[in-house]
Amino acid sequence: AQSVTQLDSQVPVFEEAPVELRCNYSSSVSVYLFWYVQYPNQGLQLLLKYLSGSTLVESINGFEAEFNKGQTSFHLRKPSVHISDTAEYFCAVSGAGGFKTIFGAGTRLFVKA
Amino acid sequence: NAGVTQTPKFRVLKTGQSMTLLCAQDMNHEYMYWYRQDPGMGLRLIHYSVGEGTTAKGEVPDGYNVSRLKKQNFLLGLESAAPSQTSVYFCASSSDSLGYTFGSGTRLTVV
Repeated sequence: AQSVTQLDSQVPVFEEAPVELRCNYSSSVSVYLFWYVQYPNQGLQLLLKYLSGSTLVESINGFEAEFNKGQTSFHLRKPSVHISDTAEYFCAVSGAGGFKTIFGAGTRLFVKA
Repeated sequence: NAGVTQTPKFRVLKTGQSMTLLCAQDMNHEYMYWYRQDPGMGLRLIHYSVGEGTTAKGEVPDGYNVSRLKKQNFLLGLESAAPSQTSVYFCASSSDSLGYTFGSGTRLTVV
């Protein structure tokens, strides 16, 4: 069975500061890993994903995440956040080749001016 | 625009009433899912479908039923609504394990 733990429920940060949202997973099989973002009153949108290959994956809006198999982590980072990054972020895992995805409880990112 | 459409967007029900939430996708995806989102609990899978005419139970199926008579549609039914079913419901679809496309959600309040 797979599980996902997001270590912080809320992360407040000032604009232009760096941020890291932490995610750990457990699985007995190879996994695919995802980060989704949910803006207020909207559905979830896929931000980035790790399937195989390079352990560092990037999104089009400056976020990146690194797959660390040894630490079973997939932390999300951004070197300089904007007010518009305020949202809830969900880490998710699925078994490689499978289709069901398990979601973490979410981390609410507050970016302050 | 291609995507997942959910109707209605908002609904208030009285305890004991029934309703059906509609989900439609136009991406020819095989897999479809219904989740509920509650504060501090993330998304919990209610039911899912791996293809037309098939459905299966997820993590929290009690009190809900689903049907997938057509590949593009996945219906979620509440036969006798309870206050514990107050939540935001999301439908999603996928063609494989490479990521989901979500609808914009249905906010349901049961009084």
